[in-house]
Amino acid sequence: AQKVTQAQTEISVVEKEDVTLDCVYETRDTTYYLFWYKQPPSGELVFLIRRNSFDEQNEISGRYSWNFQKSTSSFNFTITASQVVDSAVYFCALSQVGAQKLVFGQGTRLTINP
Amino acid sequence: KAGVTQTPRYLIKTRGQQVTLSCSPISGHRSVSWYQQTPGQGLQFLFEYFSETQRNKGNFPGRFSGRQFSNSRSEMNVSTLELGDSALYLCASSFSANFPEAFFGQGTRLTVV
Repeated sequence: AQKVTQAQTEISVVEKEDVTLDCVYETRDTTYYLFWYKQPPSGELVFLIRRNSFDEQNEISGRYSWNFQKSTSSFNFTITASQVVDSAVYFCALSQVGAQKLVFGQGTRLTINP
Repeated sequence: KAGVTQTPRYLIKTRGQQVTLSCSPISGHRSVSWYQQTPGQGLQFLFEYFSETQRNKGNFPGRFSGRQFSNSRSEMNVSTLELGDSALYLCASSFSANFPEAFFGQGTRLTVV
Protein backbone atom coordinates (compact mmCIF):
# COMPACT_ATOMS: atom_id res chain seq x y z
CA ALA A 1 0.00 0.00 0.00
CA GLN A 2 1.09 3.53 -0.63
CA LYS A 3 1.02 6.24 2.00
CA VAL A 4 2.05 9.88 2.21
CA THR A 5 2.56 11.66 5.51
CA GLN A 6 2.72 15.40 5.98
CA ALA A 7 3.31 15.72 9.69
CA GLN A 8 2.97 19.51 9.76
CA THR A 9 -0.72 20.34 9.84
CA GLU A 10 -0.26 24.10 9.98
CA ILE A 11 2.69 26.44 9.64
CA SER A 12 2.63 30.18 10.20
CA VAL A 13 5.59 32.42 9.41
CA VAL A 14 6.27 36.07 8.80
CA GLU A 15 6.79 37.27 5.26
CA LYS A 16 10.34 36.87 3.88
CA GLU A 17 11.12 33.94 6.14
CA ASP A 18 12.14 30.65 4.57
CA VAL A 19 9.84 27.72 5.21
CA THR A 20 10.16 23.99 4.57
CA LEU A 21 7.21 21.64 4.17
CA ASP A 22 7.95 18.03 4.99
CA CYS A 23 6.72 14.98 3.09
CA VAL A 24 7.46 11.35 3.88
CA TYR A 25 6.11 8.52 1.75
CA GLU A 26 5.79 4.75 1.80
CA THR A 27 5.61 2.51 -1.24
CA ARG A 28 6.72 -0.97 -2.26
CA ASP A 29 7.16 0.09 -5.87
CA THR A 30 10.67 0.55 -7.17
CA THR A 31 9.58 3.24 -9.58
CA TYR A 32 7.01 5.89 -8.79
CA TYR A 33 6.21 9.56 -9.11
CA LEU A 34 6.07 12.25 -6.43
CA PHE A 35 4.17 15.50 -6.73
CA TRP A 36 3.50 18.74 -4.93
CA TYR A 37 0.26 20.66 -5.36
CA LYS A 38 -0.91 24.00 -4.00
CA GLN A 39 -4.54 24.62 -3.08
CA PRO A 40 -5.47 28.28 -2.70
CA PRO A 41 -8.84 29.28 -1.18
CA SER A 42 -10.48 28.99 -4.60
CA GLY A 43 -10.20 25.23 -4.24
CA GLU A 44 -8.36 24.32 -7.42
CA LEU A 45 -5.28 22.14 -6.96
CA VAL A 46 -2.37 23.77 -8.75
CA PHE A 47 0.39 21.49 -10.00
CA LEU A 48 3.85 22.55 -8.82
CA ILE A 49 6.26 19.73 -9.59
CA ARG A 50 6.59 16.07 -10.53
CA ARG A 51 9.64 14.01 -9.63
CA ASN A 52 10.50 10.54 -10.90
CA SER A 53 11.83 8.07 -8.35
CA PHE A 54 14.90 7.35 -10.44
CA ASP A 55 15.89 11.03 -10.55
CA GLU A 56 17.16 12.24 -7.20
CA GLN A 57 18.44 15.52 -8.51
CA ASN A 58 17.08 18.42 -6.49
CA GLU A 59 15.20 21.11 -8.32
CA ILE A 60 14.92 24.85 -7.94
CA SER A 61 12.30 27.03 -9.57
CA GLY A 62 12.54 30.64 -8.53
CA ARG A 63 11.82 30.82 -4.81
CA TYR A 64 10.74 27.18 -4.72
CA SER A 65 13.06 24.23 -4.24
CA TRP A 66 12.52 20.53 -3.70
CA ASN A 67 14.76 18.05 -1.93
CA PHE A 68 14.16 14.40 -2.84
CA GLN A 69 15.96 11.80 -0.73
CA LYS A 70 15.12 8.23 -1.62
CA SER A 71 17.16 6.88 1.30
CA THR A 72 14.83 8.54 3.79
CA SER A 73 11.69 8.40 1.58
CA SER A 74 11.29 12.13 1.80
CA PHE A 75 10.38 14.82 -0.70
CA ASN A 76 10.54 18.17 1.06
CA PHE A 77 9.53 21.53 -0.35
CA THR A 78 11.19 24.82 0.60
CA ILE A 79 9.93 28.31 -0.11
CA THR A 80 12.62 30.94 0.15
CA ALA A 81 11.73 34.52 1.08
CA SER A 82 8.06 33.65 1.53
CA GLN A 83 5.35 36.02 0.37
CA VAL A 84 1.74 36.50 1.45
CA VAL A 85 0.61 35.02 -1.89
CA ASP A 86 2.23 31.74 -0.89
CA SER A 87 -0.48 31.25 1.73
CA ALA A 88 -2.38 28.09 0.79
CA VAL A 89 -2.70 24.41 1.61
CA TYR A 90 0.10 22.36 0.12
CA PHE A 91 -0.26 18.69 -0.72
CA CYS A 92 2.37 16.09 -1.39
CA ALA A 93 1.24 13.11 -3.49
CA LEU A 94 2.52 9.78 -4.77
CA SER A 95 1.52 7.62 -7.72
CA GLN A 96 2.58 4.40 -9.35
CA VAL A 97 4.14 4.63 -12.77
CA GLY A 98 1.42 4.02 -15.36
CA ALA A 99 -1.48 4.64 -12.98
CA GLN A 100 -3.26 7.96 -12.83
CA LYS A 101 -4.14 7.51 -9.19
CA LEU A 102 -2.69 10.01 -6.75
CA VAL A 103 -2.31 9.21 -3.07
CA PHE A 104 -2.28 12.47 -1.17
CA GLY A 105 -0.95 13.47 2.19
CA GLN A 106 -3.24 15.32 4.58
CA GLY A 107 -1.85 18.67 3.52
CA THR A 108 -0.04 21.49 5.29
CA ARG A 109 -1.82 24.81 5.72
CA LEU A 110 0.77 27.54 5.24
CA THR A 111 0.02 31.06 6.40
CA ILE A 112 2.38 33.87 5.54
CA ASN A 113 1.78 36.92 7.71
CA PRO A 114 2.73 40.39 6.49
CA LYS B 1 -5.63 26.71 -23.73
CA ALA B 2 -8.68 26.19 -21.53
CA GLY B 3 -8.20 24.38 -18.25
CA VAL B 4 -10.32 21.69 -16.69
CA THR B 5 -13.92 22.77 -16.40
CA GLN B 6 -16.26 21.38 -13.79
CA THR B 7 -19.97 22.05 -13.61
CA PRO B 8 -21.83 22.98 -11.59
CA ARG B 9 -19.62 24.77 -9.08
CA TYR B 10 -22.08 24.43 -6.23
CA LEU B 11 -24.93 22.04 -5.53
CA ILE B 12 -27.34 21.52 -2.68
CA LYS B 13 -29.18 18.21 -2.61
CA THR B 14 -31.42 16.40 -0.20
CA ARG B 15 -30.62 13.03 1.35
CA GLY B 16 -31.76 10.19 -0.88
CA GLN B 17 -31.53 12.16 -4.10
CA GLN B 18 -29.01 11.51 -6.81
CA VAL B 19 -26.57 13.92 -8.43
CA THR B 20 -24.49 14.10 -11.61
CA LEU B 21 -21.32 16.13 -11.85
CA SER B 22 -19.59 16.99 -15.10
CA CYS B 23 -15.96 17.46 -16.05
CA SER B 24 -14.48 18.68 -19.33
CA PRO B 25 -10.73 17.93 -19.50
CA ILE B 26 -8.03 19.98 -21.13
CA SER B 27 -8.19 19.62 -24.88
CA GLY B 28 -6.13 16.61 -25.98
CA HIS B 29 -6.13 14.98 -22.56
CA ARG B 30 -7.61 11.50 -22.54
CA SER B 31 -7.38 10.60 -18.87
CA VAL B 32 -9.86 11.92 -16.33
CA SER B 33 -9.74 11.18 -12.61
CA TRP B 34 -12.11 12.10 -9.82
CA TYR B 35 -11.31 12.85 -6.19
CA GLN B 36 -13.39 13.57 -3.13
CA GLN B 37 -12.08 16.09 -0.60
CA THR B 38 -13.51 16.28 2.92
CA PRO B 39 -12.09 17.84 6.10
CA GLY B 40 -11.99 14.45 7.82
CA GLN B 41 -10.69 12.15 5.10
CA GLY B 42 -8.72 14.57 2.99
CA LEU B 43 -8.30 13.92 -0.72
CA GLN B 44 -9.38 10.47 -1.78
CA PHE B 45 -9.29 8.90 -5.22
CA LEU B 46 -12.64 7.87 -6.65
CA PHE B 47 -11.91 6.53 -10.15
CA GLU B 48 -10.00 7.14 -13.36
CA TYR B 49 -11.09 6.85 -16.95
CA PHE B 50 -8.99 6.61 -20.07
CA SER B 51 -10.47 6.37 -23.55
CA GLU B 52 -13.93 5.65 -22.12
CA THR B 53 -12.67 2.77 -19.94
CA GLN B 54 -12.45 2.77 -16.18
CA ARG B 55 -8.86 1.84 -15.34
CA ASN B 56 -8.74 2.39 -11.60
CA LYS B 57 -11.31 2.58 -8.86
CA GLY B 58 -10.95 3.77 -5.29
CA ASN B 59 -12.53 2.35 -2.19
CA PHE B 60 -15.98 3.88 -2.44
CA PRO B 61 -19.40 2.23 -2.37
CA GLY B 62 -21.25 1.35 -5.55
CA ARG B 63 -23.41 4.46 -5.17
CA PHE B 64 -20.50 6.30 -6.76
CA SER B 65 -20.17 5.71 -10.48
CA GLY B 66 -18.76 7.45 -13.47
CA ARG B 67 -18.35 7.34 -17.17
CA GLN B 68 -16.35 8.95 -19.93
CA PHE B 69 -17.56 9.91 -23.35
CA SER B 70 -15.78 9.70 -26.70
CA ASN B 71 -14.81 13.38 -26.47
CA SER B 72 -13.09 12.61 -23.11
CA ARG B 73 -15.67 14.53 -21.08
CA SER B 74 -16.58 12.69 -17.92
CA GLU B 75 -19.46 12.54 -15.52
CA MET B 76 -19.73 11.10 -12.07
CA ASN B 77 -22.96 10.11 -10.43
CA VAL B 78 -23.81 9.62 -6.79
CA SER B 79 -27.07 7.90 -6.03
CA THR B 80 -29.02 7.79 -2.78
CA LEU B 81 -27.10 10.70 -1.31
CA GLU B 82 -26.03 10.62 2.32
CA LEU B 83 -25.01 13.51 4.54
CA GLY B 84 -21.46 12.20 4.49
CA ASP B 85 -21.27 12.70 0.73
CA SER B 86 -21.01 16.43 1.31
CA ALA B 87 -17.61 17.31 -0.09
CA LEU B 88 -15.60 19.08 -2.73
CA TYR B 89 -15.40 16.85 -5.79
CA LEU B 90 -12.36 17.48 -7.92
CA CYS B 91 -11.74 16.35 -11.44
CA ALA B 92 -8.26 16.06 -12.93
CA SER B 93 -7.11 15.52 -16.47
CA SER B 94 -3.82 14.26 -17.79
CA PHE B 95 -2.48 13.53 -21.23
CA SER B 96 -1.50 9.90 -20.71
CA ALA B 97 0.19 7.54 -18.29
CA ASN B 98 3.58 8.61 -19.66
CA PHE B 99 2.77 12.23 -18.88
CA PRO B 100 1.32 11.82 -15.39
CA GLU B 101 0.95 15.46 -14.42
CA ALA B 102 -2.67 15.85 -13.42
CA PHE B 103 -4.32 19.24 -13.81
CA PHE B 104 -7.32 19.93 -11.65
CA GLY B 105 -10.53 21.84 -12.07
CA GLN B 106 -11.96 24.14 -9.43
CA GLY B 107 -14.25 21.44 -8.18
CA THR B 108 -17.93 21.04 -7.43
CA ARG B 109 -18.96 21.78 -3.86
CA LEU B 110 -21.77 19.35 -2.99
CA THR B 111 -23.83 19.90 0.12
CA VAL B 112 -26.29 17.22 1.18
CA VAL B 113 -28.99 18.35 3.62
